[in-house]
Amino acid sequence: DTAVSQTPKYLVTQMGNDKSIKCEQNLGHDTMYWYKQDSKKFLKIMFSYNNKELIINETVPNRFSPKSPDKAHLNLHINSLELGDSAVYFCASSFTGQGPNYGYTFGSGTRLTVV
Amino acid sequence: DAKTTQPNSMESNEEEPVHLPCNHSTISGTDYIHWYRQLPSQGPEYVIHGLTSNVNNRMASLAIAEDRKSSTLILHRATLRDAAVYYCILRRRDDKIIFGKGTRLHILP
Repeated sequence: DTAVSQTPKYLVTQMGNDKSIKCEQNLGHDTMYWYKQDSKKFLKIMFSYNNKELIINETVPNRFSPKSPDKAHLNLHINSLELGDSAVYFCASSFTGQGPNYGYTFGSGTRLTVV
Repeated sequence: DAKTTQPNSMESNEEEPVHLPCNHSTISGTDYIHWYRQLPSQGPEYVIHGLTSNVNNRMASLAIAEDRKSSTLILHRATLRDAAVYYCILRRRDDKIIFGKGTRLHILP
């Protein structure tokens, strides 16, 4: 069983389109995250949700909107896609009840290519 | 943001121990030191974490300096499957983490 699963794995789309990436975790974790890995391979947090509540909202364009229908799911919707949005997007989950004394579990990533 | 510094790349021979260093001179008292690794086309994978004492698990050992300003990830017997990018990060209570470029570990057969 995949612990953190993302769909789709690959996404190629034209500029200006709207797209969504879905994430689900079956670990019972209380917090889920979206990370973006750019072409230089830096992995930076975008959002985190704890029990459906938005906790972290880093400096990300308004075109990116996360949605968490329940604590096992966190989706990322992107409006008006731009070339610069091309990257690999990773979903992750963790327990935050124990603070930093717990590891993250990452999904396998969604490679988004905007053409 | 809490920063860590790691060498860009390292090489090791198969079946030999590997010591991957990390400097984190700005660490605060409540930051945990975490290590992850990323194989090609995969998400980062948790390896180990610790606060002050050295830690061991089935994957690796983590040696933490007494002043906590540096740490070393130890792979006791490297295999070809250990070739990956290894990230050392500081996990803080606010969870706003940036993974740096990490160390690309090459394993020579």
